[in-house]
Amino acid sequence: EDKVVQSPLSLVVHEGDTVTLNCSYEVTNFRSLLWYKQEKKAPTFLFMLTSSGIEKKSGRLSSILDKKELFSILNITATQTGDSAIYLCAVWGGGSNYKLTFGKGTLLTVNP
Amino acid sequence: ETGVTQTPRHLVMGMTNKKSLKCEQHLGHNAMYWYKQSAKKPLELMFVYNFKEQTENNSVPSRFSPECPNSSHLFLHLHTLQPEDSALYLCASSSRDSNSLQYFGPGTRLTVL
Repeated sequence: EDKVVQSPLSLVVHEGDTVTLNCSYEVTNFRSLLWYKQEKKAPTFLFMLTSSGIEKKSGRLSSILDKKELFSILNITATQTGDSAIYLCAVWGGGSNYKLTFGKGTLLTVNP
Repeated sequence: ETGVTQTPRHLVMGMTNKKSLKCEQHLGHNAMYWYKQSAKKPLELMFVYNFKEQTENNSVPSRFSPECPNSSHLFLHLHTLQPEDSALYLCASSSRDSNSLQYFGPGTRLTVL
């Protein structure tokens, strides 16, 4: 059975800290890994990763994929209170029908 | 502003009620999805529609009945639900060229009494 495991499940930091969120996976026919940010509404897309070792970066957020070790990390530097959210990791792959398999998410709380 | 809208945003219903959730996407996509998000559990895929045809039914109980009249609209009809069906129901859409990149609606928070 395909699975995606995120850690930690929750994290509390102070503004300005740097955080690293982890995502490991076991998915048949891996095609890509996606990170989403979910506040009190729709999950919003952050990154899609398909190749190992190539860092994707957007402002203070960055992510990298290791297809050999089957994991990805999401880094957030100089955290702000607006970064408080659930960060979801999902992997696209599967057997006969490809689908997104999600992890439980990491709840990040950034305190002022 | 998301290109996927969902109504209602909140719904409280009794176990004997019949209600429907609506999703509309304004992105020109051809695939639409229903997901269930329960507390402390991963998003669970429920149904997938490609070009209005259902291509996935992830062992969802028959008390949930999807309908996709066209590529822009998706409904989830609910009847005789159970309290454990209380959850956030998310709709998503994607294009044929990139089915993995799914855009989500804000969800309907459903409470079954």
